[in-house]
Amino acid sequence: GAVVSQHPSWVICKSGTSVKIECRSLDFQATTMFWYRQFPKQSLMLMATSNEGSKATYEQGVEKDKFLINHASLTLSTLTVTSAHPEDSSFYICSASVPGGRKETQYFGPGTRLLVL
Amino acid sequence: SQQGEEDPQALSIQEGENATMNCSYKTSINNLQWYRQNSGRGLVHLILIRSNEREKHSGRLRVTLDTSKKSSSLLITASRAADTASYFCAASYNTDKLIFGTGTRLQVFP
Repeated sequence: GAVVSQHPSWVICKSGTSVKIECRSLDFQATTMFWYRQFPKQSLMLMATSNEGSKATYEQGVEKDKFLINHASLTLSTLTVTSAHPEDSSFYICSASVPGGRKETQYFGPGTRLLVL
Repeated sequence: SQQGEEDPQALSIQEGENATMNCSYKTSINNLQWYRQNSGRGLVHLILIRSNEREKHSGRLRVTLDTSKKSSSLLITASRAADTASYFCAASYNTDKLIFGTGTRLQVFP
């Protein structure tokens, strides 16, 4: 149980285009999802907390107009990288916490590798 | 930044040896978690230890927590080549957010 998927698993795009990444909880409803980015050989940095039906909460230094997050349903959150530039190339990972009971454990998606040319 | 520090950054051992990774964090936590990440993949939750616990075991994994020193350690006993991965600690403070440590890259040679 508690499986999280991401789509696409990798994407290559031209500079200036927008890219949408989907995060789905497959066998549970996730009221809260998290978006992280990870540069090569570095740790995960939390970008934002996505709450179903409300605006996402962004971490300090993360541009909300650059990284649009939509959590329209209990099983889907999307991250859109707008006007992507080469410096946005990274590994983007989402996670979801299981509702009801302790939200301590997060279940992670397999990640999406973005390369902006 | 609340990001925790892990050491060593990289660790190479032979199969059968034990691997110990350490994590330090900044302020009081609710719990501390350890995750594993294979290269280019998502994270797998290994173990969670709460602030009122001092030691926890799961199979070949042993985690300790010292809240006075704001540190935790992960011990993998009798390591296997399949244990090769990056290991991250993640601290949970007063919210359900996780703040990840810098990670330890473990290489186990057969």
